[in-house]
Amino acid sequence: KQEVTQIPAALSVPEGENLVLNCSFTDSAIYNLQWFRQDPGKGLTSLLLIQSSQREQTSGRLNASLDKSSGRSTLYIAASQPGDSATYLCAVNTGGGNKLTFGTGTQLKVEL
Amino acid sequence: SAVISQKPSRDICQRGTSLTIQCQVDSQVTMMFWYRQQPGQSLTLIATANQGSEATYESGFVIDKFPISRPNLTFSTLTVSNMSPEDSSIYLCSAPQGENYGYTFGSGTRLTVV
Repeated sequence: KQEVTQIPAALSVPEGENLVLNCSFTDSAIYNLQWFRQDPGKGLTSLLLIQSSQREQTSGRLNASLDKSSGRSTLYIAASQPGDSATYLCAVNTGGGNKLTFGTGTQLKVEL
Repeated sequence: SAVISQKPSRDICQRGTSLTIQCQVDSQVTMMFWYRQQPGQSLTLIATANQGSEATYESGFVIDKFPISRPNLTFSTLTVSNMSPEDSSIYLCSAPQGENYGYTFGSGTRLTVV
């Protein structure tokens, strides 16, 4: 059974800092991995999708990497802004049914 | 990419009543998914809804409590039946954006049962 863990659970940083969020998964036979952002009480916004054959994906100030063999992904946020404050979730698609297994989330607060 | 409209966005309901949540996708999708997010927790899959067949429920979720309809390729509903305060959660629907394109989610329904 796939299990997904995110570290840290919560993070508070000053504006402008570069930061890294971590995601680990137990079953490396994944189809793809997706990072989402969730604002309080809201739905999920897709940030980046990495296929199992890819090493990284970039979108603006965001960069996600994937090391499938070690069961890890990182989300790098450059020059953080208060508007980045949200909960970040990683989700793994292990295939064979299109089901996503979600991590526990990292709650990020970027302070002025 | 596909866009999902979900409603209601929030509701406060009396225990023992039922609430039906609707999701409309702006393109045809074979599968739709329903998730529950309990307070402070991550998302848990409730069921997978395919058009033209019964929904497939995950362990711990039953059709009598969470009946799902999927009348066509762009629409689905989830009903939370005979609600109790333990059902207070955010409910989200999701659909794949095509092979290799990840998943998109609705804006969520924040349910409070009093």
